[in-house]
Amino acid sequence: DAGITQSPRYKITETGRQVTLMCHQTWSHSYMFWYRQDLGHGLRLIYYSAAADITDKGEVPDGYVVSRSKTENFPLTLESATRSQTSVYFCASSEEGIAEQFFGPGTRLTVL
Amino acid sequence: AQSVSQHNHHVILSEAASLELGCNYSYGGTVNLFWYVQYPGQHLQLLLKYFSGDPLVKGIKGFEAEFIKSKFSFNLRKPSVQWSDTAEYFCAGAAGNMLTFGGGTRLMVKP
Repeated sequence: DAGITQSPRYKITETGRQVTLMCHQTWSHSYMFWYRQDLGHGLRLIYYSAAADITDKGEVPDGYVVSRSKTENFPLTLESATRSQTSVYFCASSEEGIAEQFFGPGTRLTVL
Repeated sequence: AQSVSQHNHHVILSEAASLELGCNYSYGGTVNLFWYVQYPGQHLQLLLKYFSGDPLVKGIKGFEAEFIKSKFSFNLRKPSVQWSDTAEYFCAGAAGNMLTFGGGTRLMVKP
């Protein structure tokens, strides 16, 4: 199906474990973004990518790693999960950096 | 630094009441502004956007917003809300490649 998908939709992990959240889009959008949504903070940008092999930090990048070897995929890795990373993670894509962003369904991550 | 603020964190209205949600931004130059909505259990969807031109922009589902440059504001309005408008609303601004979101406003519409 066309659009933007995220997997898994729900994940429970333990402190110190590595977790990878997947994001896939079928529009061939140049830009992709990762946000986390926390109560009272709205959405905060973690990392974004302007094209394959080009990534840049957002507002809250610490503890996260991204890669973009293919235009359509933008995985987000928590190298050593902490409880403070319990959140809902949204992936988004857009044709241009300042254009409308299209959001995926989100991944609810709980770190115990 | 770029920032977007939404002063109303929670709003409760009865059906048919009028809605206005505040959004203020702080950007030095050209700014593109958006309102997104997140219905319960769903992902964010675009309501409307302002890039340039007519400062009064109309979006989906009867929503509109007015860009007032002198007040650095981009308030969202709807003349008559419905129960189905219960959702969280996010204002966002883009300058460069990054979109900055406000903290969101949770709207509850009582039937």
